[in-house]
Amino acid sequence: GAVVSQHPSRVICKSGTSVKIECRSLDFQATTMFWYRQFPKQSLMLMATSNEGSKATYEQGVEKDKFLINHASLTLSTLTVTSAHPEDSSFYICSAATVNTEAFFGQGTRLTVV
Amino acid sequence: SQQGEEDPQALSIQEGENATMNCSYKTSINNLQWYRQNSGRGLVHLILIRSNEREKHSGRLRVTLDTSKKSSSLLITASRAADTASYFCATDDQGAQKLVFGQGTRLTINP
Repeated sequence: GAVVSQHPSRVICKSGTSVKIECRSLDFQATTMFWYRQFPKQSLMLMATSNEGSKATYEQGVEKDKFLINHASLTLSTLTVTSAHPEDSSFYICSAATVNTEAFFGQGTRLTVV
Repeated sequence: SQQGEEDPQALSIQEGENATMNCSYKTSINNLQWYRQNSGRGLVHLILIRSNEREKHSGRLRVTLDTSKKSSSLLITASRAADTASYFCATDDQGAQKLVFGQGTRLTINP
């Protein structure tokens, strides 16, 4: 299957700072990327959908000003958690897809806000 | 919520036994996928079954799909300790590529 790389795999940051997570499709051009969040012992919940060159579409209840998504190229999307707080500590995982294909997942980023 | 449900939420069996997990969903789908997640790690794609398929096999995995009941099952035969993980089903949201995940089954294989 196609390869999606997510970086960093783990990050610890101080409360009030911002953290950027990158999602790259390494061997294909992703027209659409998805960002999910997973709290401990829970399932994955979709946060937003981003299409290259356009604004992301956020799911209900997800603050777009807090979770900034940029999809500037067909191989890179970034999620920035702004003014992070301990309740934002979670596992963030991206997936990438092109037209008429299944989505391929990155390996996830464990964010801990202290 | 559009999120699907899985049962059981937790399953503990002896090595060598078969494990069956069930998934129910709410909307029309193009396909349903099963993923495995080891503790604190990313997702591993196991199998995809399309809406026009009723059963699919991959090694020790067998997946069934009943679109009339909006349900699917994952059977792992001859389980191994390495199969210990959480298993999630995921459906495409009304044909879109974004996925709606079930709540997951935590499977423990006891040696």
